[in-house]
Amino acid sequence: AQKITQTQPGMFVQEKEAVTLDCTYDTSDQSYGLFWYKQPSSGEMIFLIYQGSYDEQNATEGRYSLNFQKARKSANLVISASQLGDSAMYFCAMRGRGSNYKLTFGKGTLLTVNP
Amino acid sequence: DAGVIQSPRHEVTEMGQEVTLRCKPISGHNSLFWYRQTMMRGLELLIYFNNNVPIDDSGMPEDRFSAKMPNASFSTLKIQPSEPRDSAVYFCASSRRDSLVYEQYFGPGTRLTVT
Repeated sequence: AQKITQTQPGMFVQEKEAVTLDCTYDTSDQSYGLFWYKQPSSGEMIFLIYQGSYDEQNATEGRYSLNFQKARKSANLVISASQLGDSAMYFCAMRGRGSNYKLTFGKGTLLTVNP
Repeated sequence: DAGVIQSPRHEVTEMGQEVTLRCKPISGHNSLFWYRQTMMRGLELLIYFNNNVPIDDSGMPEDRFSAKMPNASFSTLKIQPSEPRDSAVYFCASSRRDSLVYEQYFGPGTRLTVT
């Protein structure tokens, strides 16, 4: 079975600063994918970034980067230069063959960016 | 490209009534997923289809829930009879392939309230 743990129910950050959102996972799969999604107050789920378990480089997408530490089974999201529009719920998720490719989500972290 | 389309966006119904939620995936995507989001349980996968065939319905809560995908561009999730505990936001998502790599794109969701 797969499990995603996000230990930070809420985080605060000042505008223009960087913030790290934690995610740890548990799986018996050798090959898996890790994803981060953003859910603003409007409710839609927005894909941010993907990291494959065999990728040697950490994924980056604009101001988003994924700090992937395979041995520690962690996949933290780093948002650089925070903006007010980054205030939202952030979900870490994973897929693996062992779970029949189902996307398993964590409970989420509510990020608030202060001006 | 149009994203995943869901209808209705909001549904209010009385306990015991039948509810049908509709989804049109992104053209060319051959995997489709139905999720339910509640405060208590977070995001849960209900069922997913690959090439219109149900692959995993282990998340469907009970026999009151059913899902169909008659063709590549349309899916329904039906609840009959509905109960107040079914109140949630229901998301449909699609992806290009049933694979570790491809991210899922979510629709705007249907907010269901059962009174």
